[in-house]
Amino acid sequence: DAKTTQPPSMDCAEGRAANLPCNHSTISGNEYVYWYRQIHSQGPQYIIHGLKNNETNEMASLIITEDRKSSTLILPHATLRDTAVYYCIVRVADNAGNMLTFGGGTRLMVKP
Amino acid sequence: EPEVTQTPSHQVTQMGQEVILRCVPISNHLYFYWYRQILGQKVEFLVSFYNNEISEKSEIFDDQFSVERPDGSNFTLKIRSTKLEDSAMYFCASSEWAGYEKLFFGSGTQLSVL
Repeated sequence: DAKTTQPPSMDCAEGRAANLPCNHSTISGNEYVYWYRQIHSQGPQYIIHGLKNNETNEMASLIITEDRKSSTLILPHATLRDTAVYYCIVRVADNAGNMLTFGGGTRLMVKP
Repeated sequence: EPEVTQTPSHQVTQMGQEVILRCVPISNHLYFYWYRQILGQKVEFLVSFYNNEISEKSEIFDDQFSVERPDGSNFTLKIRSTKLEDSAMYFCASSEWAGYEKLFFGSGTQLSVL
């Protein structure tokens, strides 16, 4: 019952942009797209989220297609410390709590 | 940046024993969560807690599990009678509000049941 599809792994050269895709073709109008990452069995770390507009913060940019069926997380200048598993999650932003459902994610390997 | 603190970082116990995993959420947060990750598997939701009661729980969170906020700062997960399959990394998380607010996760407690 996965709501998102991500490639299992990707490589990126250090200093280059890392573009991580996510398909969420069944997303509902009130569902947000969230990105978290997990560095080597540490606790997941929030990166960014959005509804339909593109978003940018100090960590990354989130590009959501106009039909909202897919999105891309962009790390503009990847470093070795960005090596992690990246999770794309869709959920309704309501007051019922924050039960995030993690999938398999994309294992990003940043190489020197 | 404020942090969620979990203790201990590692816990080893014998099957059938009770364990309590402890967490100190971020001080102004109101929503608290436990997740777990069995080695090599996905991060799984266990339970969410707000206003001194459980908001949501997963199928994993059966009668062997309980949560408590014994004082104004700690949030605990108790496993009454541990099984081998309870061996996992347990993550505590907190958020200021529900809805679209981001979760802050602790660094986890690695529970090993022998």
